[in-house]
Amino acid sequence: QVQLVESGGGVVQPGRSLTLSCVASGFSISAYGMHWVRQAPGKGLEWVAVTWSDVSNKYYADSVKGRFTISRDNSKNTLNLQMNNLRAEDTGVYYCARDYYASGSYPDYWGQGTLVTVSS
Amino acid sequence: SYELTQPPSVSVSPGQTARITCSGDALPKKYAYWYQQKSGQAPVLVIYEDTKRPSGIPERFSGSSSGTMATLTISGAQVEDEADYYCYSTDNSGNQKVFGGGTKLTVL
Repeated sequence: QVQLVESGGGVVQPGRSLTLSCVASGFSISAYGMHWVRQAPGKGLEWVAVTWSDVSNKYYADSVKGRFTISRDNSKNTLNLQMNNLRAEDTGVYYCARDYYASGSYPDYWGQGTLVTVSS
Repeated sequence: SYELTQPPSVSVSPGQTARITCSGDALPKKYAYWYQQKSGQAPVLVIYEDTKRPSGIPERFSGSSSGTMATLTISGAQVEDEADYYCYSTDNSGNQKVFGGGTKLTVL
């Protein structure tokens, strides 16, 4: 069955960097678009970024554009999120999600999330 | 940036029909999707492409869309349907995805 397991979360100081990973099983990420979605404590869902299966198409929320980079390693069936110049407002649970299509359309399967806390 | 607007809360008694709305300027041309999130859990897709229900989702969940508003309807809501519900769609370019602010459904 489809499984997504995120890792890499933790406590990081403002201005520093962190990389999240999401290992997929039960399917090959090379055939699917993949998303990152986050949720600040007690708040709603916020879409962060998507990468199409063809890797040439990547799109970001305005709030993270220029600071975050989404990438994939198809050989390891892994999705990554490089987060630079972190801010307090980046704090939250980060979910990895598979898209229903090869392009970025909508998430169908989600991981359980990894918590990122940006604090001095 | 593009926004989707939902009511913060909806409350119904068990067995009643709950309706949760989502408004957005691009909805006449773009599909709406609905996710259910129970406390401490990851979101679950309950409606896709305005009206379609994934396998395993109870028939009491249905979706509709007209003009700039999409609606999630839970017919005969049950206590276990208590959750936060989020609509999701894209802007007119199709590349900027967005979630609505979420609606807390209370069934009691």
